[in-house]
Parts: sequence; C-alpha cells; structure tokens
Amino acid sequence: SQTIHQWPATLVQPVGSPLSLECTVEGTSNPNLYWYRQAAGRGLQLLFYSVGIGQISSEVPQNLSASRPQDRQFILSSKKLLLSDSGFYLCAWSVSGSPIYEQYFGPGTRLTVT
Amino acid sequence: LAKTTQPISMDSYEGQEVNITCSHNNIATNDYITWYQQFPSQGPRFIIQGYKTKVTNEVASLFIPADRKSSTLSLPRVSLSDTAVYYCLVVQGSSNTGKLIFGQGTTLQVKP
Repeated sequence: SQTIHQWPATLVQPVGSPLSLECTVEGTSNPNLYWYRQAAGRGLQLLFYSVGIGQISSEVPQNLSASRPQDRQFILSSKKLLLSDSGFYLCAWSVSGSPIYEQYFGPGTRLTVT
Repeated sequence: LAKTTQPISMDSYEGQEVNITCSHNNIATNDYITWYQQFPSQGPRFIIQGYKTKVTNEVASLFIPADRKSSTLSLPRVSLSDTAVYYCLVVQGSSNTGKLIFGQGTTLQVKP
C-alpha cells in the first residue's frame, strides 16, 4: 500500500531563518506531487506541483521554492522565512494520468514563524 | 478553471440528510466535479467525483443536473463525526497534472 510521510510534524523558526520541509511517498512510482499551505482559518493554497523529477511548477510567487531530487521525494525550502510563512504545510500525491482526481495528503507540518 | 461558489457554513443535526450545493456556472465540457472533506489539522480526503447525473458511493451521493452549472453533495444521516469542511472543486479533464484548486469550502457543523 502507499504511504506518504512528512517531517517535521511541528516547527518553530525565527524570522529570517532558512526552512526545509521534506515529503516522501512509498509504494508508488512516478507520482504527481504537490505542496499546499493553509494559513489559520483559511482555505488550502496550492504552492507547487511536480509531474516528474526536476519538474517544478510554481502557483504563487513568494519566497518559497520546491525541489524534487528523487522520484518520490519533494522538498519545500526557503532561504529567509517571513512571518506570513506561518501555516500548516501539506504534501500530497496523486497517480499520474489518473481520470480520478484523488490526491492523498500527508500528515502535515505546522510551521510557526516568530 | 471554472470558479465555484458554495455556502460558507451550514448547521445540521445528527441523523439528518445534508445537501451542500455548489455553483460552477462556467464549467467546461471536459471538466469534472470533485468533492473533498477536511477535518481540523488534517489534509483533505477525496469523497466523490462525477461528470453528470448521479454518482453514489459508500460515503455520499453527488447530483449533477443536465446543464452541469451546479452540483449537490448529499450526506445521508450525518453524525457528529461528519463535522468538517467540504470543498467543491472543478477539475480539467484534459489535465495531466492532477492539479486541484481549493476554495474556502463549506464548514458543516453537526449538532447532537
């Protein structure tokens, strides 16, 4: 069966510090991968998606970046965090080319920038 | 992608049927309608997807009229555990990215 992991689960970082969040998927090959952010009391915002290794599409211009160094690994980074980067970060995957638009979400990382 | 509009919140009582309607006036011919459920501090979970008429699974039913400009998610006999945010999404059928754009959703509060 497929599983998706995210770490860390929670993170408190000062403004201006770097960020690295990791997501890995097991039990599937060549998945589509996604990063979302959910600010407190807000809806989900799609940040990045990837359809293959090294292929990253950005949905929102910001100080965050994403990379996909391996087929089932997706990393979200920032060189300098802003207060507005606080939120709940979710990684998700889907079957490439599936006619069913089902995404499977990880447990999330709650980031607080102080 | 077609814009979706759904109520911000709804209240219901245990045992009642809940219908959440979503409007998507600009839906394209090859677009699909998909619904997700999200509990606090968790990622969303896929509930159901349809193109036209009616789709039913073990969780919910989805009703889509012939003009496809709206859809209704029906949850039979809700319980307290159905309290969650429900998102209506329109997805491009021709897309190979599987990309989803979530709106604000409908917060359903089920009361005892």
